[in-house]
Amino acid sequence: DIQMTQSPSSLSASVGDRVTITCRASQNIDNYLNWYQQKPGKAPNLLIYAALHLRTGVPSRFSGSGSGTDFTLTISGLQPEDSATYYCQHSYTTLYTFGQGTKLEIK
Amino acid sequence: EVQVVQSGAEVKKPGESLMISCKTSGYSFTTYWITWLRQMPGRGLEWIGTIDPKDSETKYSPSFQGHVTISVDKSVITAYLQWSSLKASDTAMYYCARLDYSGSLGWLDPWGQGTLVTVSS
Repeated sequence: DIQMTQSPSSLSASVGDRVTITCRASQNIDNYLNWYQQKPGKAPNLLIYAALHLRTGVPSRFSGSGSGTDFTLTISGLQPEDSATYYCQHSYTTLYTFGQGTKLEIK
Repeated sequence: EVQVVQSGAEVKKPGESLMISCKTSGYSFTTYWITWLRQMPGRGLEWIGTIDPKDSETKYSPSFQGHVTISVDKSVITAYLQWSSLKASDTAMYYCARLDYSGSLGWLDPWGQGTLVTVSS
């Protein structure tokens, strides 16, 4: 199985900050990497697919990069509504696995 | 608008059976696989399995194989997740999601709202 490791597990930042979350795969996954946002008590929502493509309707302050084993999710100009847990997920094999999540708190 | 809407919360006893549903709308049901996922209380997301509504080809995570069954009914454009004998450890939120794709790339969008399953004696 491909293991996905996110860092940090949690972070706290202020409105307007630039935040970066990283995701590392245990083997090469090319660009088969997606990012999701989950707010408390809600279902996850897709943010970015295929490593860098923004889902329609997602604010442009979210961006993704990376290829191979190392990926990043960046939020430029943090907003209060960005308080959530963020998950990366690979789709390189049928058994999709997720990172453990990064909980983002707004100060 | 593409939507997936799940059935409501369930409270069951250990050993009971259960089927929860995921009704789709707004797209061609047989064109996209449906995936089921689990989120245990306070924990992350786990992939249970996925089904092709076109021919019911199903793929399961080894962690769930043999304990759950995924199926579809094309006549009502609905996918199902079922247990024949629940355990207390099945207590969790369960999500379904459409597996969107481009070539061999896949991603989960949209997601259902979740079905909370509570198993307690």
